[in-house]
Amino acid sequence: KAGVTQTPRYLIKTRGQQVTLSCSPISGHRSVSWYQQTPGQGLQFLFEYFSETQRNKGNFPGRFSGRQFSNSRSEMNVSTLELGDSALYLCASSSSGYSYEQYFGPGTRLTVT
Amino acid sequence: AQKVTQAQTEISVVEKEDVTLDCVYETRDTTYYLFWYKQPPSGELVFLIRRNSFDEQNEISGRYSWNFQKSTSSFNFTITASQVVDSAVYFCALSETGTASKLTFGTGTRLQVTL
Repeated sequence: KAGVTQTPRYLIKTRGQQVTLSCSPISGHRSVSWYQQTPGQGLQFLFEYFSETQRNKGNFPGRFSGRQFSNSRSEMNVSTLELGDSALYLCASSSSGYSYEQYFGPGTRLTVT
Repeated sequence: AQKVTQAQTEISVVEKEDVTLDCVYETRDTTYYLFWYKQPPSGELVFLIRRNSFDEQNEISGRYSWNFQKSTSSFNFTITASQVVDSAVYFCALSETGTASKLTFGTGTRLQVTL
């Protein structure tokens, strides 16, 4: 079974631009969560989507948004990029809303200059 | 609010030594889940174990073992006979019942195993 895939793996953007990251969960998994990892703040929960609905949300500004498609693939978008948005963005999937075991993808390394 | 503390920032051991990674958590929920993840240099978080708050039995999986003690709010992870391949950052995490998919992570412990 293929694991969680994330595209692109690396991205360089300029401050003020927007970016879209993509995540394909493990086949059959319906829940997708997004996390941001930075040296200063560590791993922080962004949001979770289940059956195309946002079910949980972390403490991030509205510039961070996401969506999930009917095939469970998910995208997250960051608008008006700031230097502090430079981070590793990790996507995780789980088989159902409450299976608790989340399987992570390799991440997208975003650099904002 | 929930919180996970991993006081050990970095640990260095020589191969074949045993090593214990500490994890202390805080939560107001009576039902919660604890996790350990491994993050090798490649960056991908690898799931190691999940434990619910009602199951205090220790678990052993090969060279890995976990000690869960509700009385001290701790969920420690021991690697027996460490190997170079164990070198990674290890994260302890917590989720509560109402927001099961939302993991709160500790700051991680970097383990360096040398020959």
